[in-house]
This record gives sequence, C-alpha cells and structure tokens, in this order.
Amino acid sequence: DAGVTQSPTHLIKTRGQQVTLRCSPKSGHDTVSWYQQALGQGPQFIFQYYEEEERQRGNFPDRFSGHQFPNYSSELNVNALLLGDSALYLCASTQAADTGELFFGEGSRLTVL
Amino acid sequence: QQQVKQSPQSLIVQKGGISIINCAYENTAFDYFPWYQQFPGKGPALLIAIRPDVSEKKEGRFTISFNKSAKQFSLHIMDSQPGDSATYFCAASKIANAGKSTFGDGTTLTVKP
Repeated sequence: DAGVTQSPTHLIKTRGQQVTLRCSPKSGHDTVSWYQQALGQGPQFIFQYYEEEERQRGNFPDRFSGHQFPNYSSELNVNALLLGDSALYLCASTQAADTGELFFGEGSRLTVL
Repeated sequence: QQQVKQSPQSLIVQKGGISIINCAYENTAFDYFPWYQQFPGKGPALLIAIRPDVSEKKEGRFTISFNKSAKQFSLHIMDSQPGDSATYFCAASKIANAGKSTFGDGTTLTVKP
C-alpha cells in the first residue's frame, strides 16, 4: 500500500520563476492538504483540495495555487517566487469520511536563489 | 498570531530518562490534539493523539496529558531511547477538519546513550 508520494524531492529556482510540485495521496484517500515548513518551524497550512476544488485556504497569497485531478492527485503551483518561499513543502492526505490522522509525504525541498 | 505554542525548542535527555514537551493552544474550538514525530528528510508521522473528553492517553512509552481548563497538553516519553531522537510537533484542529491543522514550532529531542 503506497503512502503519500511527492515529487520532485529537491529543486532550485531563482526569484521570479514559477514552480509546480506534485503529490499522490495514500491509496483510498480523497482529500489533499498542502503545508509549508520553513527551516526550524512547524508546518503551516496552505490549502486543502477535495472533489477537485479548493475547500479551505490558509494565510497565503494568491501566488500559491493548486489543483486536484480526478485520480485525487494534486499539484501546488507557486508563481513569482521570492527568497522567502524557500521551504519544505509537505503534502498530507486523508479520507474525507475519516477523522483525525494526517498522512504526510516526505516533502519537496524548494530553494529559491 | 500563533495559535499553538510549543516548548522547549530543544531537549537533551539521557537514555532511560523521561522527555516532556509542552504545548498551549488558544482556539477553544479545537477538539483534536495530535503529536507528530519527524526524522530528518522525512515527513511528520502521527505518534499519538487525544481528544478533550479524556485527560490522559497512553500508548506504550508515549503519554499525552491534557488540561482543558488551562488549554495545555503535553507529551511524555518514558524510558527515552536514542532512536527517539527526532523533532516532535504538537498540533491542534477540529477533528472533522484535521486536514487544516495548526502546528507548534517543534521540539528537537536528543537522547544521549
């Protein structure tokens, strides 16, 4: 049973560029949440996707956008990258009918130069 | 506004000792309080969780103590082992909405052999 998988694992971009990160949820899960984890800090909620729609959003600018596909996989897009966007981006999945545990992927480490 | 405050930032314990990490939350609507363990290069993984209808929950060497009136909860690791060395995050959410969790900033635990 595959867990949450994310790609790429590492990437380097320059300021102003755009990036797309990808996530496949755990088998049987239909809800995907994205988190940003800056160095030395806890994960911060970016947004959540369910039934191919953004259902909830944290305190992140519109430069952060996402998408969910019919197979429940998801993408996180960040436009006009800033140095401060350097972080570990985590994807977590749950099953909408379940409550509680989040299953996290290993993350995508983004460095903005 | 940080809604979950975690302390200490780092902790060093001898093998066999007790590790204690504390968290305080602000939002009284929260009703699900998990602890996550994160090893370097990995995503967070659920360790143990509690709901406010009980004051304590124990799973093996790990215990959560919960004080609803004080809006505080803590993780106790008994008989700490070098393999427990990791970063620990407390979190809080509504149990029906765990995908949108608020995390503390983490505690880096080092267990010395």
